[in-house]
Amino acid sequence: EVQLVQSGAEVKKPGESLKISCKGSGYNFTSYWIGWVRQMPGKGLEWMAIIYPGDSDTRYSPSFQGQVTISADKSISSAYLQWSSLKASDTAMYYCARQSYDTDGFYSLFDYWGQGTLVTVSS
Amino acid sequence: DIQMTQSPSSLSASVGDRVTITCRASQSISSYLNWYQQKPGKAPNLLIYAASSLQSGVPSRFSGSGSGTDFILTISSLQPEDFATYYCQQNYRTLYTFGPGTKLDIK
Repeated sequence: EVQLVQSGAEVKKPGESLKISCKGSGYNFTSYWIGWVRQMPGKGLEWMAIIYPGDSDTRYSPSFQGQVTISADKSISSAYLQWSSLKASDTAMYYCARQSYDTDGFYSLFDYWGQGTLVTVSS
Repeated sequence: DIQMTQSPSSLSASVGDRVTITCRASQSISSYLNWYQQKPGKAPNLLIYAASSLQSGVPSRFSGSGSGTDFILTISSLQPEDFATYYCQQNYRTLYTFGPGTKLDIK
């Protein structure tokens, strides 16, 4: 069974650093891109960035480039999202999701999602 | 960047109703369009990919259509468990933007 399990909720102060994780199981972790999606309180979904654990190739949305860093450790089937200096505006739920493709390999889709990690940044 | 819009932003309907939600892309995206359902406190769930292909395990009352810039998600007969927020997402270009969402609630 494919599963993505994310680390638990975090409460941090502005200026602090943070790294949250997403552990994959039930499939070949190195063969699928993992994406990160932000959902601010009461708001919609925002595509942040994506990483290919096989070679750590990464792509960022311009809105998030320089604000966060994504990484992966294929030896433990885990992907990470990190901040060096949190702001109150980073308060949100963060989801990881596996990017798969249709049978012909043309269309990408997020077919499995983690349960989400709630990050709260408050002084 | 490709911008996605959805209409309506919210919708009230009754069990058994036929419902349509529209998604529009700022440029042609062929059929590179997915639909997700999200219930409160839960992660999104893929319903439709490639504009009209039903994801495995999703009830057949859900269907998708369209290509180019205009797309439609149809729920043929609303069930109680369908009241949720629906998002479209383009996967034509990396930076796979989502639409702003359509909240479907009970009339």
